[in-house]
Amino acid sequence: SQQGEEDPQALSIQEGENATMNCSYKTSINNLQWYRQNSGRGLVHLILIRSNEREKHSGRLRVTLDTSKKSSSLLITASRAADTASYFCATDAVGGGADGLTFGKGTHLIIQP
Amino acid sequence: DAGITQSPRHKVTETGTPVTLRCHQTENHRYMYWYRQDPGHGLRLIHYSYGVKDTDKGEVSDGYSVSRSKTEDFLLTLESATSSQTSVYFCAIISSRNTEAFFGQGTRLTVV
Repeated sequence: SQQGEEDPQALSIQEGENATMNCSYKTSINNLQWYRQNSGRGLVHLILIRSNEREKHSGRLRVTLDTSKKSSSLLITASRAADTASYFCATDAVGGGADGLTFGKGTHLIIQP
Repeated sequence: DAGITQSPRHKVTETGTPVTLRCHQTENHRYMYWYRQDPGHGLRLIHYSYGVKDTDKGEVSDGYSVSRSKTEDFLLTLESATSSQTSVYFCAIISSRNTEAFFGQGTRLTVV
């Protein structure tokens, strides 16, 4: 079953605008991660936020985590055409053993030039 | 980029034939994973390994087997390929818990 669920499934915005994607999950987590996937390529890690953190920044990326609501958001500021990709959240569940991360279905982001 | 490669990158095979996909890493990471990615389903875990000869099943393991005889190699075998196994397969490695995963470029498998 999917632990993380991204919202929206698809998002189209103009270059220069900010893009916000949300992720909800079901169980307690050690950390939550965001990945980007360009068409036909493997996933690339963007940012990791631990369960005791509430916000984290990396360049134009801002991630928030609300463990009480079991949700996270990824904000990409000043979007560029190169940001066009699918974005996935992944959770590392507490007590999850060695079975690694559980991924959501992704948000497909299109940046219109 | 993490040293992780998948082979082959593309394969077309006939129903009922066995197929083996290879994942090779040069990072000496302990944990290795096989996922499949299908439209509408995201990534789903097939099998994983937490050490040499230590493997376990994931969410969608039926019809698949794995082997890890060396730290650097994790093989995924479809014993008798079916059309429902047409998918893109990704291998991933993690050095330790609570850290990021590194992915291979994927193998696009078509079963006809």
